[in-house]
Amino acid sequence: RKEVEQDPGPFNVPEGATVAFNCTYSNSASQSFFWYRQDCRKEPKLLMSVYSSGNEDGRFTAQLNRASQYISLLIRDSKLSDSATYLCVVNSGNEKLTFGTGTRLTIIP
Amino acid sequence: GAGVSQTPSNKVTEKGKYVELRCDPISGHTALYWYRQSLGQGPEFLIYFQGTGAADDSGLPNDRFFAVRPEGSVSTLKIQRTERGDSAVYLCASSIRTAFYSPLHFGNGTRLTVT
Repeated sequence: RKEVEQDPGPFNVPEGATVAFNCTYSNSASQSFFWYRQDCRKEPKLLMSVYSSGNEDGRFTAQLNRASQYISLLIRDSKLSDSATYLCVVNSGNEKLTFGTGTRLTIIP
Repeated sequence: GAGVSQTPSNKVTEKGKYVELRCDPISGHTALYWYRQSLGQGPEFLIYFQGTGAADDSGLPNDRFFAVRPEGSVSTLKIQRTERGDSAVYLCASSIRTAFYSPLHFGNGTRLTVT
C-alpha cells in the first residue's frame, strides 16, 4: 500500500462549482499534513497546512480525520485559475515529506 | 528575495555518463531536500540535509546516486553511469528549519533526459 494515496482524476469542474478531494495516508504516526499546488511544468508550492481542528483560507478549506487517516481539500466558488494539480503531502515525523501522486483539476468556463 | 536556484534547467546526457545537478537554496535555510518527479507522479523523496550532513538518504535509489552539501549551502546531486530510467525532473527544496515546522520552497527543477 502506498504511504499517501490520491485519486489522480482528472476532475473537470464548471467555474463557480465546489469541488472536494480526499487523500488517505497509511502511517498512523504521521504528524503534519499539507496541500501543495503544482501548475503544469512548474514547481510545487505550498497551498495550505492542515490542522487537526480544520482550517480555512478564503475559498479553501482543509480537514484532517485522524481516525480514518485521511485529509481533504474543499474549494468553493472555483475559478479558472484554480486549474492545477493538487498534491497531498504527509510528514511522518522524520522530516521527510511524502507526496501523493496528485489530483489533476481543470475548471471549465 | 531570491528563491531556490537550480542549474542546469535542462540536461541531456547519454546512457552511462556522469552528471551533476546543482541547487542553491534560499539564504539562511538550513534544511535542503532533493526530490525527483516523473511524468504523472508526485515528487519522490531522495535525500535531506540539515546543515552539512545528510540527515536522511533513504530515498536514494542505489549507489549510483550521491549528494553533497559541503558548506551547508549549495548542494550537488551526482549521478554516475546514468540509465534511461533516471530521466525525470530533479527538484531541490529548502526550508528555514525543517519540513515539519516550515514549508518547502522548491526550485524550478532540472529536467534530466538520458538517451
